[in-house]
Amino acid sequence: EVQLVESGGGLVQPGRSLRLSCAASGFTFDDHVMHWVRQAPGKGLEWVSGIGWNSGSIDYADSVKGRFTISRDNAKNSLYLQMNSLRPEDTALYYCVKDMGLAISTSPDVWGQGTTVTVSS
Amino acid sequence: QSALTQPPSASGSPGQSVTISCTGTSSDVGGSDYVSWYQHRPGKAPKLMIYEVTKRPSGVPQRFSGSRSGNTAFLTVSGLQADDEADYYCSSYAGNNIHVTFGGGTKLTV
Repeated sequence: EVQLVESGGGLVQPGRSLRLSCAASGFTFDDHVMHWVRQAPGKGLEWVSGIGWNSGSIDYADSVKGRFTISRDNAKNSLYLQMNSLRPEDTALYYCVKDMGLAISTSPDVWGQGTTVTVSS
Repeated sequence: QSALTQPPSASGSPGQSVTISCTGTSSDVGGSDYVSWYQHRPGKAPKLMIYEVTKRPSGVPQRFSGSRSGNTAFLTVSGLQADDEADYYCSSYAGNNIHVTFGGGTKLTV
């Protein structure tokens, strides 16, 4: 069974940093593109960042570009999101999402349960 | 990086059919084979219902179907059931190998 388990969320002050992790199991991790997608309270889904199987392709939403860094460790079947200079508008439930694609995004298909990030003083 | 456009709400009675639209541009919905639809219930992880415009993952009922015309994709739910009540989101590959764009979501009421 494919499983994605996020961790690392919490309450953080504006301007501080947080690192999210996602532990993957039940599939060949390095055969797939991976994403982070978030949902702010009362809002819709927002794609945050994605990374290809070998980290050769990486992209970010404009709203986080320059502040967030996505990475992966295929040996540990893990995905990460380093979030710096956090803002109140980054408050959201952050999902780790597996994609059907290898080198390019085709169809995000399996989602974790999410980890909550709250940015507030 | 504009979000795809979905109607905020849709509704139908049990047994009826409802169609939800998702409008983008020729750079995403209209020019990509990779349009997906998700069902999202409160407190649950989103569930993939349609991928590559028209394909259904294993386990998704045939009552759910996808189509596209120009820059607009459609999700049709036939034979509505109470259990179909949820938020539905579309997404599309949007270039740069990795970029994905989501619609604003449609709340389906049965």
